[in-house]
Amino acid sequence: RKEVEQDPGPFNVPEGATVAFNCTYSNSASQSFFWYRQDCRKEPKLLMSVYSSGNEDGRFTAQLNRASQYISLLIRDSKLSDSATYLCVVAPNAGNMLTFGGGTRLMVKP
Amino acid sequence: DADVTQTPRNRITKTGKRIMLECSQTKGHDRMYWYRQDPGLGLRLIYYSFDVKDINKGEISDGYSVSRQAQAKFSLSLESAIPNQTALYFCATSDTYEQYFGPGTRLTVT
Repeated sequence: RKEVEQDPGPFNVPEGATVAFNCTYSNSASQSFFWYRQDCRKEPKLLMSVYSSGNEDGRFTAQLNRASQYISLLIRDSKLSDSATYLCVVAPNAGNMLTFGGGTRLMVKP
Repeated sequence: DADVTQTPRNRITKTGKRIMLECSQTKGHDRMYWYRQDPGLGLRLIYYSFDVKDINKGEISDGYSVSRQAQAKFSLSLESAIPNQTALYFCATSDTYEQYFGPGTRLTVT
């Protein structure tokens, strides 16, 4: 079983739609959680951290459920520019060693 | 100028050849990492270094070696390349949990 699992997609949605991605992780001792974004043929970049209380950044909302070992990312009012692969990332311990999921691909259509 | 640079950006090499991928950063971070990315598998950690004198194996270090020549430079070597080392290779740096990635090196071993 992979340490961090994601539905690879692709998710094909129209502009303006709301879309949600989920991610599960296997290490219950994991400390920190993130979503990274990766555009085609580019490097990953941090999109947002995920806090236990949930957090929002504009159109993006991230949630963490430690009991179910589950992380989510919600994108409202999708834009064409949101088309990318979204990587769920977990830090298993106090150091900053990251474990990446395989990514979920989003394609927003006009 | 980019904070994290990688050279070469693309390379095609033959089985059995030695190849070195280079990474430089201007962010002043102590921590540096090498990852490889394969379709559907996400990023997997090859080696990491928390200091100039510190080298640590990651998840998939077999067939690779690294050198941390200075705080700003971290090189990855394939001593005898094989076709299943064909992948996209990323270097990253960090000072906290956020990692900053270079643009990647696309390596093909024929």
